[in-house]
Amino acid sequence: GAGVSQSPSNKVTEKGKDVELRCDPISGHTALYWYRQRLGQGLEFLIYFQGNSAPDKSGLPSDRFSAERTGESVSTLTIQRTQQEDSAVYLCASSSLAAGEQYFGPGTRLTVT
Amino acid sequence: AQSVTQPDIHITVSEGASLELRCNYSYGATPYLFWYVQSPGQGLQLLLKYFSGDTLVQGIKGFEAEFKRSQSSFNLRKPSVHWSDAAEYFCAVGPTSGTYKYIFGTGTRLKVLA
Repeated sequence: GAGVSQSPSNKVTEKGKDVELRCDPISGHTALYWYRQRLGQGLEFLIYFQGNSAPDKSGLPSDRFSAERTGESVSTLTIQRTQQEDSAVYLCASSSLAAGEQYFGPGTRLTVT
Repeated sequence: AQSVTQPDIHITVSEGASLELRCNYSYGATPYLFWYVQSPGQGLQLLLKYFSGDTLVQGIKGFEAEFKRSQSSFNLRKPSVHWSDAAEYFCAVGPTSGTYKYIFGTGTRLKVLA
């Protein structure tokens, strides 16, 4: 596609429910990143995928957070048993080189009520 | 530890005035440096990047930035601001040593007065 896409654009969920966020990277981009951006804050690194290598999960805040990516395609970020502090915009980015610039999607705004 | 500091949380300038947004970094080697812009409700868009070579880099929308190793800075500048430049600006450094992670500053929100 022309850019990184994310779905849904907005998600409202009740505390305790599970949510799944999707990211479609730019075709051919081997690297994919997930970030969290709380209101008025900078970007918080969550997880990084590079090709078929083991992902770097060091930014995941708790074991309620997990992410998957099949090959160099779509990635899903799953948050189990959502809490109010999970409310944020979740941004996905992809990159054609491990050390290249990142292209960001528009984000998914998650609100936990 | 690697870090990025954007000391100005908010900046307000008049349309047509010059702009400088500050970015300081802490990094063990020659970093890759980036400036991104985020308009309301949008993802981040790359303005410019520095990998090596000429320390003054030109970007899109009339922006430029200068890498100063001695000051560990990578400040973003624009000679004449337009109302459409109102947005949030993020400085980033990466990849961090031993990983492919990037570190982002906390952002500077720019307001432009007509």
